[in-house]
Amino acid sequence: KQEVTQIPAALSVPEGENLVLNCSFTDSAIYNLQWFRQDPGKGLTSLLLIQSSQREQTSGRLNASLDKSSGRSTLYIAASQPGDSATYLCAVFQGAQKLVFGQGTRLTINP
Amino acid sequence: NAGVTQTPKFQVLKTGQSMTLQCAQDMNHEYMSWYRQDPGMGLRLIHYSVGAGITDQGEVPNGYNVSRSTTEDFPLRLLSAAPSQTSVYFCATRRGILNTEAFFGQGTRLTVV
Repeated sequence: KQEVTQIPAALSVPEGENLVLNCSFTDSAIYNLQWFRQDPGKGLTSLLLIQSSQREQTSGRLNASLDKSSGRSTLYIAASQPGDSATYLCAVFQGAQKLVFGQGTRLTINP
Repeated sequence: NAGVTQTPKFQVLKTGQSMTLQCAQDMNHEYMSWYRQDPGMGLRLIHYSVGAGITDQGEVPNGYNVSRSTTEDFPLRLLSAAPSQTSVYFCATRRGILNTEAFFGQGTRLTVV
């Protein structure tokens, strides 16, 4: 059974710092991996999708990498801002029909 | 484009009542699914559909029914609500099965008393 783990569960950093969020998965037979952010009481907003044949994707200040062989993905956030405060979720596409989610990392950027 | 629209946003039910959570999308996506989000459990797949007329069970299907008569709509029915179904429910869509991004609605917060 696929298990997705995100460490740390919570992270608090001062504004302007670069930071890395980690995601690991136990079964490397995945199709894709997607990173989301979730604001309190809101839905999930897609940040980046990494296809299984790719090693990284970039969008603005965000960069996500994928290493299937080691079962790891990282989300790098450059020059963090208070507006980046949210919970960040990673999810792997297990088979064709199912997204398996991690528990998320709750990120707080302090002004 | 509205994307994925869920209604209602909030609902309180009494044990034993039934209701339907609505999900509508205007992106012409074939694949739709329902998840529930619970503290400490993360998001878990309830039911999914790969196209109109085709549905299947996910990880936690008991107590829920779905149907897919159109591409746009994928309602989730609670047959007889139980306190264990208190949760936040999310509808998600994808254009296809492989290599496509998942998009989520804003959620329905359901409380069963």
